[in-house]
Amino acid sequence: NAGVMQNPRHLVRRRGQEARLRCSPMKGHSHVYWYRQLPEEGLKFMVYLQKENIIDESGMPKERFSAEFPKEGPSILRIQQVVRGDSAAYFCASSPLPGAEQYFGPGTRLTVT
Amino acid sequence: TQLLEQSPQFLSIQEGENLTVYCNSSSVFSSLQWYRQEPGEGPVLLVTVVTGGEVKKLKRLTFQFGDARKDSSLHITAVQPGDTGLYLCAPRDSGTYKYIFGTGTRLKVLA
Repeated sequence: NAGVMQNPRHLVRRRGQEARLRCSPMKGHSHVYWYRQLPEEGLKFMVYLQKENIIDESGMPKERFSAEFPKEGPSILRIQQVVRGDSAAYFCASSPLPGAEQYFGPGTRLTVT
Repeated sequence: TQLLEQSPQFLSIQEGENLTVYCNSSSVFSSLQWYRQEPGEGPVLLVTVVTGGEVKKLKRLTFQFGDARKDSSLHITAVQPGDTGLYLCAPRDSGTYKYIFGTGTRLKVLA
């Protein structure tokens, strides 16, 4: 399967724990975007990364959230000290070039109890 | 902040009927993508339109980008139950690499 991979598909965390969401882009894609989707709402842009660089993090909450895309391995979205309001579906997308068509992964559904 | 409106928000129609959904904004976009999302899954890219007035067909789906590149429409002929899903338009934010997503049109096709 050469598509965008995300894991885990479902993640349950208690308040105060850390959540780590992983995204492996499509083969040949070096641009990764993270989005959050709340029930009955649209996808909200969070962050755009290229290999080893954060290009645009204008949609990231100022605290507790961070993202990285190392030279080797998947992109990671990290949420520290999760709260109930962090419960959502988190999607990543990848593209071969900046601004090119984005292809989405299946998402990670985070539930904070 | 650019406002994006998709209409209708919900649509429930009989198999075999035709429908059009709309994506409107007051801003000009460099390109626009349409996606379909099914419950529990990620959005699947259907098409990208770039040129004002452009029309693209994908089997029973016809996509049009407005002449002024501010709006787009998706027309589906003879809908089938498999067309059920959330249809999202995502124009590219001018001057950036970001795509803005609408809240979508939730389509349910009744057999």
